[in-house]
Amino acid sequence: AQSVSQHNHHVILSEAASLELGCNYSYGGTVNLFWYVQYPGQHLQLLLKYFSGDPLVKGIKGFEAEFIKSKFSFNLRKPSVQWSDTAEYFCAVKPPRSNTGKLIFGQGTTLQVKP
Amino acid sequence: DAGVIQSPRHEVTEMGQEVTLRCKPISGHNSLFWYRQTMMRGLELLIYFNNNVPIDDSGMPEDRFSAKMPNASFSTLKIQPSEPRDSAVYFCASSLLAKNIQYFGAGTRLSVL
Repeated sequence: AQSVSQHNHHVILSEAASLELGCNYSYGGTVNLFWYVQYPGQHLQLLLKYFSGDPLVKGIKGFEAEFIKSKFSFNLRKPSVQWSDTAEYFCAVKPPRSNTGKLIFGQGTTLQVKP
Repeated sequence: DAGVIQSPRHEVTEMGQEVTLRCKPISGHNSLFWYRQTMMRGLELLIYFNNNVPIDDSGMPEDRFSAKMPNASFSTLKIQPSEPRDSAVYFCASSLLAKNIQYFGAGTRLSVL
């Protein structure tokens, strides 16, 4: 079945460590890609998005993601995490040829940053 | 813009009672989504509307769940009768169809005792 996969379910890092969260999707064709962040007790907020153009996308709070079409991947990165980055991170995809606005979300990755 | 507004923020009710969750999307948005989030099942899409019309309700768990969008600025999600397993955080999100970026409300935390 077509889907979005986040392979890391729970990641624990120390402050200043580098972060990479994996996201893979199984749709062929042109997709729109998103990363959302959910801080503890809060709602999902858009972190960054990719529609077209430069495959390296810069988001808020120092996050970036790279779209690699050949690998069907859109991994999230941050060079140096902070305690305040502790949150759940969701990758989402707008499937190709879909015009309903529906996004397919991954299962989420919980990031815990130790001070 | 005030963002997506959900009410109530917290709801505690007893099993068998009717629960109504409310959502006001961002003005001008023409898509609205209802999600449920639990520890066990993660984030689930329940139903979504385009231009006030329900497009896909395949995520609605049972007939006890119903959703309406009578106009572009208001939607409700109703559970009747409620059961303890309905306890979750319910999120509403809205977007512009042409943009595909969903904006989430603060959620309603529902506890069914």
